Amino acid sequence: SQQGEEDPQALSIQEGENATMNCSYKTSINNLQWYRQNSGRGLVHLILIRSNEREKHSGRLRVTLDTSKKSSSLLITASRAADTASYFCATDAGGNNRLAFGKGNQVVVIP
Amino acid sequence: KAGVTQTPRYLIKTRGQQVTLSCSPISGHRSVSWYQQTPGQGLQFLFEYFSETQRNKGNFPGRFSGRQFSNSRSEMNVSTLELGDSALYLCASSLVDYGYTFGSGTRLTVV
Repeated sequence: SQQGEEDPQALSIQEGENATMNCSYKTSINNLQWYRQNSGRGLVHLILIRSNEREKHSGRLRVTLDTSKKSSSLLITASRAADTASYFCATDAGGNNRLAFGKGNQVVVIP
Repeated sequence: KAGVTQTPRYLIKTRGQQVTLSCSPISGHRSVSWYQQTPGQGLQFLFEYFSETQRNKGNFPGRFSGRQFSNSRSEMNVSTLELGDSALYLCASSLVDYGYTFGSGTRLTVV
């Protein structure tokens, strides 16, 4: 079964606003990762949060992890047009080096 | 430093043919993984290689195979192509617990 399932939302926001997307998963994990994909190209690694971490920041990105609820959220603050992309969460369960991806959230930032 | 390089970028093949895709990981990364991305199934794990050994395999038929060379470069092969094999094939390399670096992918179209 696929782990890592984002809320099936397509977000359309104005530049400068914040964008939040959520992800849930089914089993225990070692870490959870967020990736960005522009127009069907390769995935860009954004941030990795380990199972013993609750929150992590990287630039304008803030990720939270709630292992009791098996969920994570990605917040992009002060969005820019260049943030327009699909965002995927992925879990690495059991340290077996295989990522299980969610279906992705399409974010459109309007200039 | 150079990223993950996948060749070719685009490929058009006929049903029944076979295809070989290539991936050169980041220097020093010994783990190479392959993923298939389609609109219907999303991102699915194909297999992972480490030091020339396949460590993990996803739920794909035996027509999908791969290998890794001593310099960590990897190839995947799909034999007897079917229309449903049309997809973006992504390769990723990684160091343990640091997230994955993906290539730009090979867009395979089967006609």
